[in-house]
Amino acid sequence: AQKITQTQPGMFVQEKEAVTLDCTYDTSDQSYGLFWYKQPSSGEMIFLIYQGSYDEQNATEGRYSLNFQKARKSANLVISASQLGDSAMYFCAMREDGSARQLTFGSGTQLTVLP
Amino acid sequence: KAGVTQTPRYLIKTRGQQVTLSCSPISGHRSVSWYQQTPGQGLQFLFEYFSETQRNKGNFPGRFSGRQFSNSRSEMNVSTLELGDSALYLCASSLESAGANVLTFGAGSRLTVL
Repeated sequence: AQKITQTQPGMFVQEKEAVTLDCTYDTSDQSYGLFWYKQPSSGEMIFLIYQGSYDEQNATEGRYSLNFQKARKSANLVISASQLGDSAMYFCAMREDGSARQLTFGSGTQLTVLP
Repeated sequence: KAGVTQTPRYLIKTRGQQVTLSCSPISGHRSVSWYQQTPGQGLQFLFEYFSETQRNKGNFPGRFSGRQFSNSRSEMNVSTLELGDSALYLCASSLESAGANVLTFGAGSRLTVL
């Protein structure tokens, strides 16, 4: 079963507007972490934001916030005031804190910011 | 603070050859992980090393191997290359591979197998 699901292969947003990228996950672990990474066309994965399963507050990092709904197993990324430089592939990932420890990635969402 | 450095950035090999990719982690990071990224399979975990020991391995054939040295630098090797091994190979380092420890990725090594 897929552990991380990103249902939006591509998204468009107007510059300066906000956009939400969807991510749902599946785990039976109580302790886990959720990550969002950005991958520009250059290939490097850039860390954006982290949410721990026990964190009660939604994580925020500058223009990025994570809308964490634990009961629904969703961890949507919200980018406020989109910029042209935000155009990239965005990946949601999960790490279960058991023995596995690796990141499991979703299939990604290609975001295009329009001027 | 220097980031994660991967070499070479690009390489072309032919089927049947072998390849070695190198990764220098951020200073002080003891955990190094490798991921393969392809258009068809997406990002898949290869293996993780911590203090020279392989702690975890993904679902890849034995042709894929790796090691970590005492200075935390890591190498991965792919023997008897197949066309399907063409991919972007990403290395990531972290202090530990648990909790809120963030994996910092390198720019990747793009391998093309002809």
